[in-house]
Amino acid sequence: DTAVSQTPKYLVTQMGNDKSIKCEQNLGHDTMYWYKQDSKKFLKIMFSYNNKELIINETVPNRFSPKSPDKAHLNLHINSLELGDSAVYFCASSHSPETQYFGPGTRLLVL
Amino acid sequence: QKEVEQDPGPLSVPEGAIVSLNCTYSNSAFQYFMWYRQYSRKGPELLMYTYSSGNKEDGRFTAQVDKSSKYISLFIRDSQPSDSATYLCAMNDYKLSFGAGTTVTVRA
Repeated sequence: DTAVSQTPKYLVTQMGNDKSIKCEQNLGHDTMYWYKQDSKKFLKIMFSYNNKELIINETVPNRFSPKSPDKAHLNLHINSLELGDSAVYFCASSHSPETQYFGPGTRLLVL
Repeated sequence: QKEVEQDPGPLSVPEGAIVSLNCTYSNSAFQYFMWYRQYSRKGPELLMYTYSSGNKEDGRFTAQVDKSSKYISLFIRDSQPSDSATYLCAMNDYKLSFGAGTTVTVRA
């Protein structure tokens, strides 16, 4: 049983398109996160939601909009995709900040 | 200057060797110190976390924190080829800040 799952695993798209990534966790955690990992493997937090409320927004462009329909789901919508958005996006969940569980990642390539 | 500095390596060791990884940090507000392991094309998985200065052991893994020097380490004893991965240190105040990750290869 997958604890944190993401769809799709791979996403290849053209510049200017809009795309969404979905995340679901079955761990019963209240807090969920989106991270971006660049080509140099540097992992940086983008957003955090606690019980459907946004609690962290780390100076991410407005083109990125997270949505949490319930505490088990956190989706990421990206408008007007740019070349620099190419990266691996990880969803994570936790009951406390020091024990986060990560999903398998979504590899986004913008052409 | 990044809040968390980690030498990206790569680090290559023979099977059975001790692997030594470390990170330095600048933010005194960091409270928890974590080590994550990331296999190629997978998500990071939490190995260990610690709160206070000192050592914490878990099997072949030992995490050390020295808050006075703002320095943390991870030691892997009796390394195995299955330990080949990227190891990321992470620390948190209100959010997790990660190091760049060190890529480790254990040669059989």
